[in-house]
Amino acid sequence: EPEVTQTPSHQVTQMGQEVILRCVPISNHLYFYWYRQILGQKVEFLVSFYNNEISEKSEIFDDQFSVERPDGSNFTLKIRSTKLEDSAMYFCASSDKSAGRHEQYFGPGTRLTVT
Amino acid sequence: AQSVTQLDSQVPVFEEAPVELRCNYSSSVSVYLFWYVQYPNQGLQLLLKYLSGSTLVKGINGFEAEFNKSQTSFHLRKPSVHISDTAEYFCAVSPNAGNNRKLIWGLGTSLAVNP
Repeated sequence: EPEVTQTPSHQVTQMGQEVILRCVPISNHLYFYWYRQILGQKVEFLVSFYNNEISEKSEIFDDQFSVERPDGSNFTLKIRSTKLEDSAMYFCASSDKSAGRHEQYFGPGTRLTVT
Repeated sequence: AQSVTQLDSQVPVFEEAPVELRCNYSSSVSVYLFWYVQYPNQGLQLLLKYLSGSTLVKGINGFEAEFNKSQTSFHLRKPSVHISDTAEYFCAVSPNAGNNRKLIWGLGTSLAVNP
């Protein structure tokens, strides 16, 4: 069964460094999402992406964040200058254009630790 | 705007007992409703969804949920739980119109099934 994959599973970085979190969505999916979950808090929507552009972003998704689909298979989330409060689990999700578009398929997540 | 409240942060239950995990939502527009499960050290997996039609929906692993529009609830139930059902359960909603289908999440309910 096709699945969403994410790398790395765990990333440790120092404050102020840039990180890139990578996701490979399901191959025929067209809608892509990033969510994050700070320990003990709700899963929060960050951004959605369709047709090579951002379709919606949350207040969290400020200028420090960017997304890209560089090669038609990967979907990346970049944080330019990480802060301590960026420490969280980051989930990538994808969905297709059919009626099942409502169903988002999630990757296993990347745990980002900023020190 | 939408919000989701999961009324129980932790639910301990004995094996083979029934369980109900409660979810209430608030929204100014019509929504789709979802339950996701997260097993330890794994990603988010869809248990079931309500899009339209019958208010009782059945999902994987013997779970079901009932949509109650008047009470704005979507409680998850299982008549007899197994040890393997121990996991974190998340209720989520998304607007059912427009192109943006971001998920709004509850805080999660930790289900602990004891022998």
